[in-house]
Amino acid sequence: DVKVTQSSRYLVKRTGEKVFLECVQDMDHENMFWYRQDPGLGLRLIYFSYDVKMKEKGDIPEGYSVSREKKERFSLILESASTNQTSMYLCASTVTGASYEQYFGPGTRLTVT
Amino acid sequence: GENVEQHPSTLSVQEGDSAVIKCTYSDSASNYFPWYKQELGKGPQLIIDIRSNVGEKKDQRIAVTLNKTAKHFSLHITETQPEDSAVYFCAASEGNFNKFYFGSGTKLNVKP
Repeated sequence: DVKVTQSSRYLVKRTGEKVFLECVQDMDHENMFWYRQDPGLGLRLIYFSYDVKMKEKGDIPEGYSVSREKKERFSLILESASTNQTSMYLCASTVTGASYEQYFGPGTRLTVT
Repeated sequence: GENVEQHPSTLSVQEGDSAVIKCTYSDSASNYFPWYKQELGKGPQLIIDIRSNVGEKKDQRIAVTLNKTAKHFSLHITETQPEDSAVYFCAASEGNFNKFYFGSGTKLNVKP
């Protein structure tokens, strides 16, 4: 069974803290994605990675960075958390070529106070 | 870049009725259009998709139609059931590293 897991379901951090969100997939997928989900805005792409150590900016990369040291793990880093980064963060993965289906994790609800 | 608009933002129907959600896209290079369902507390899950060389696709009570000329596509759910209650997202992609542009979502409420 396909599985994408995210390290935390809920997270509360203070303004200025460095925050790490972890995502792991067990499907040997090449491509991994980080989205944020806000009411009325849908899912917006922050960063994606199509291979180990490779990354590409999405539509809203400002204030975020990513790391992909191993194929199965994709980390989202908030260098200095701000209140406008309070959101739901979703990780997804796909395999190149066979199918376009994105497999999503359950999400991490991050609150920055 | 691509812009996907989705309507309505909320939709309430009686059990057994049909529901229709509509999306428009701006980039004529987009060639793949999936629909995702997100239940409470879960990540989105693919329910149906359509490619640009097809005008309609059906899977049991769910169907998707695509009008490439007008750049719009729609999700149709017939004989709605309470378990269809969820948030639905449309998306568009031109298949480059599977990059997707999502609509803003439709919250469907099916009243028993």
